[in-house]
Amino acid sequence: DGGITQSPKYLFRKEGQNVTLSCEQNLNHDAMYWYRQDPGQGLRLIYYSQIVNDFQKGDIAEGYSVSREKKESFPLTVTSAQKNPTAFYLCASSKTSGEYNEQFFGPGTRLTVL
Amino acid sequence: GQQLNQSPQSMFIQEGEDVSMNCTSSSIFNTWLWYKQDPGEGPVLLIALYKAGELTSNGRLTAQFGITRKDSFLNISASIPSDVGIYFCAGRNRENYGQNFVFGPGTRLSVLP
Repeated sequence: DGGITQSPKYLFRKEGQNVTLSCEQNLNHDAMYWYRQDPGQGLRLIYYSQIVNDFQKGDIAEGYSVSREKKESFPLTVTSAQKNPTAFYLCASSKTSGEYNEQFFGPGTRLTVL
Repeated sequence: GQQLNQSPQSMFIQEGEDVSMNCTSSSIFNTWLWYKQDPGEGPVLLIALYKAGELTSNGRLTAQFGITRKDSFLNISASIPSDVGIYFCAGRNRENYGQNFVFGPGTRLSVLP
């Protein structure tokens, strides 16, 4: 089955700790994205990557970091510098070539800071 | 920057009724996507639109790319309980703003039996 997997589904963190959220895709997509979702708001872009070993900041990158060492993987680290990290985090991927390159989403990770 | 508005914010309908919702932008888009999100899950792509005026169906769902290129519409016919969820629109203008999409805040749909 082709798709996007995110782990863990639920994550609890103490204040001051860094945590890493996993995102893997086997769709052979070049581009991968991380979004944050808060209640009543649209998805906000944290980071995106269109090719291995390259990534760009989105609208709300402060307090987050990413890496893209493999095409299939795009992990997100929520650092202690992120002031309000409790949220639902969504990973997405898409093709970059051609006209039709919709984004497809993983099942999400809910992060709660205790 | 780009912003998307969705209307209505929420709606309650009786099972079997038809549903209409829309998405408007402050700028022109050349791609519109519609997603449905169930509680605690990731959004699932329902329909993609690529041409102004385009009308596309997916089962009981029909979406249209507005001719002004600043809006899109989603209709659901004969609603059923599993239609409950949040419906998001997303738009993009690759020439002006690149690869990334901007997302609306969502329309929350509740279906009463």
